[in-house]
Amino acid sequence: DGGITQSPKYLFRKEGQNVTLSCEQNLNHDAMYWYRQDPGQGLRLIYYSQIVNDFQKGDIAEGYSVSREKKESFPLTVTSAQKNPTAFYLCASSGQGLSNQPQHFGDGTRLSIL
Amino acid sequence: GQQLNQSPQSMFIQEGEDVSMNCTSSSIFNTWLWYKQDPGEGPVLLIALYKAGELTSNGRLTAQFGITRKDSFLNISASIPSDVGIYFCAGQTSGSRLTFGEGTQLTVNP
Repeated sequence: DGGITQSPKYLFRKEGQNVTLSCEQNLNHDAMYWYRQDPGQGLRLIYYSQIVNDFQKGDIAEGYSVSREKKESFPLTVTSAQKNPTAFYLCASSGQGLSNQPQHFGDGTRLSIL
Repeated sequence: GQQLNQSPQSMFIQEGEDVSMNCTSSSIFNTWLWYKQDPGEGPVLLIALYKAGELTSNGRLTAQFGITRKDSFLNISASIPSDVGIYFCAGQTSGSRLTFGEGTQLTVNP
């Protein structure tokens, strides 16, 4: 089936540890996005990538890093500099970066602090 | 940056009732999207609107792109228990990122 796969579903981070969230899509989409969702709030954009080997900061990029070495993959690293990482992280993709083609989402990764 | 006001924040209704929610913005959008999110899952696209005044249906769901391009509404007719979830609007101008509303939490009592 075509879609967006996020893994793991649940992730726990220790103090001072970096963790990486995986996002893979087989939709042949050019653009990929990472959002953070806190309880009772909307989605806030962390990073986005319109094309391979290129990415831009979103509204809340501090404490996060990304890479886009392959079209189908856009991993997100939550670094130790992110002091409040507990949240639900959502990856999305769309046909063309910043075009009006709708974004489609994966099922999310819930990150918690140990 | 652009902001979307989505209302109501939450709704509690009886099965079979109709539901209406809306989003308004101080800015003009070229695209309005409506998503539904079930607990612990990612948002799923329900309806996409691309033209001012456009009225689009998807089963029991109907959404409209406001004529001023600054608002949109979503109606759900004859609600059923599986309609429970959080509904998000999102707006986009050409070449810009999506702006999301804060969501409407819908509860349907059987």
